[in-house]
Amino acid sequence: SAVISQKPSRDICQRGTSLTIQCQVDSQVTMMFWYRQQPGQSLTLIATANQGSEATYESGFVIDKFPISRPNLTFSTLTVSNMSPEDSSIYLCSVVGLGSTDTQYFGPGTRLTVL
Amino acid sequence: DAKTTQPTSMDCAEGRAANLPCNHSTISGNEYVYWYRQIHSQGPQYIIHGLKNNETNEMASLIITEDRKSSTLILPHATLRDTAVYYCIVYGAGSYQLTFGKGTKLSVIP
Repeated sequence: SAVISQKPSRDICQRGTSLTIQCQVDSQVTMMFWYRQQPGQSLTLIATANQGSEATYESGFVIDKFPISRPNLTFSTLTVSNMSPEDSSIYLCSVVGLGSTDTQYFGPGTRLTVL
Repeated sequence: DAKTTQPTSMDCAEGRAANLPCNHSTISGNEYVYWYRQIHSQGPQYIIHGLKNNETNEMASLIITEDRKSSTLILPHATLRDTAVYYCIVYGAGSYQLTFGKGTKLSVIP
């Protein structure tokens, strides 16, 4: 399986500000995804990060709030914009690897608290 | 993707086998059964998956009924570090859509 890292691991931010979360994989992967896990809840898919094109967002998530970049096959960023306390969550990236099964592997997550 | 039903919580004595059931009665022929676990808000950890045959790896065994409407994840010798929320997910090949339910909170008791 790929080694997936996320930065930062946690952060505390003020409302109205933005935070960019990075996801780095140690090998090239075909697919990258971003999930959110609100306190006490299960994971919800935010979007699929597409290399070289705009991300594909799930219902309820929009590009202005969660802009995503994926400049290459090993790296992606998720920005949480104009944050409010309701954005306090764990944000996770996941990947599907080249030449492997469709198994998704997850990063360690970024714990975000918005005051 | 098909919906799954899991018990909310289970207890298991340390050293004993933990058997976690999952119902997926609407599963389609090309959908896999995947199991993940999440330990204390860390990223979900992949455990095992299968289509219709029983599967075993270094972490666990997966038993899928012949009609594929249910499955059981078996941790053969549970340890305290196996305390986690376990998610059973039905996953269509090529769909890349993982739909997480509430899972089963497994508590391994000394």
